[in-house]
Amino acid sequence: EDQVTQSPEALRLQEGESSSLNCSYTVSGLRGLFWYRQDPGKGPEFLFTLYSAGEEKEKERLKATLTKKESFLHITAPKPEDSATYLCAVQQAGSYQLTFGKGTKLSVIP
Amino acid sequence: DVKVTQSSRYLVKRTGEKVFLECVQDMDHENMFWYRQDPGLGLRLIYFSYDVKMKEKGDIPEGYSVSREKKERFSLILESASTNQTSMYLCAASGVDQPQHFGDGTRLSIL
Repeated sequence: EDQVTQSPEALRLQEGESSSLNCSYTVSGLRGLFWYRQDPGKGPEFLFTLYSAGEEKEKERLKATLTKKESFLHITAPKPEDSATYLCAVQQAGSYQLTFGKGTKLSVIP
Repeated sequence: DVKVTQSSRYLVKRTGEKVFLECVQDMDHENMFWYRQDPGLGLRLIYFSYDVKMKEKGDIPEGYSVSREKKERFSLILESASTNQTSMYLCAASGVDQPQHFGDGTRLSIL
């Protein structure tokens, strides 16, 4: 059974204080690992797909990396508008389904 | 970008009612999905469809059914609503080998 564990559950940062969110996963044959951002009262917004260990993707202040057991979402010099819940999900090879972690709620304080 | 539209943002229904949640996507994508999201449990897949009239059970299909008569529309049906089906319901769509894109959700309360 696929499993996804995100840590920490919640993270408070001062504006400009860089940090990382962790996503540990167990899957038989990884098709892809996905990062989403979710604002309160809205649906998840797609950020990145990573397919193989060593791959990295960047978007503005966010950088996602992937190893064979975990992924990190690095946030550099965050701003208050980066406050959201960040979700990680994995897709097993040959499957349509995503298995989601429970998310990390990020708060960036001015 | 894919646009996924859910017909209602908020819905209040009574126990025992038959409830329909509608989802429409504008990108001719093959795959559509229904999830529910609950605090502490995360997103859980209820049903998905990979083609018109095709459906597959997800992790928690009990008490739900779905309908996909047209490619752009995917409906979730609560046959006889119960209070434990109070939740946020999210619809998503994706093309082949593409990421899923989500609607903004329907917050459903069953009284």
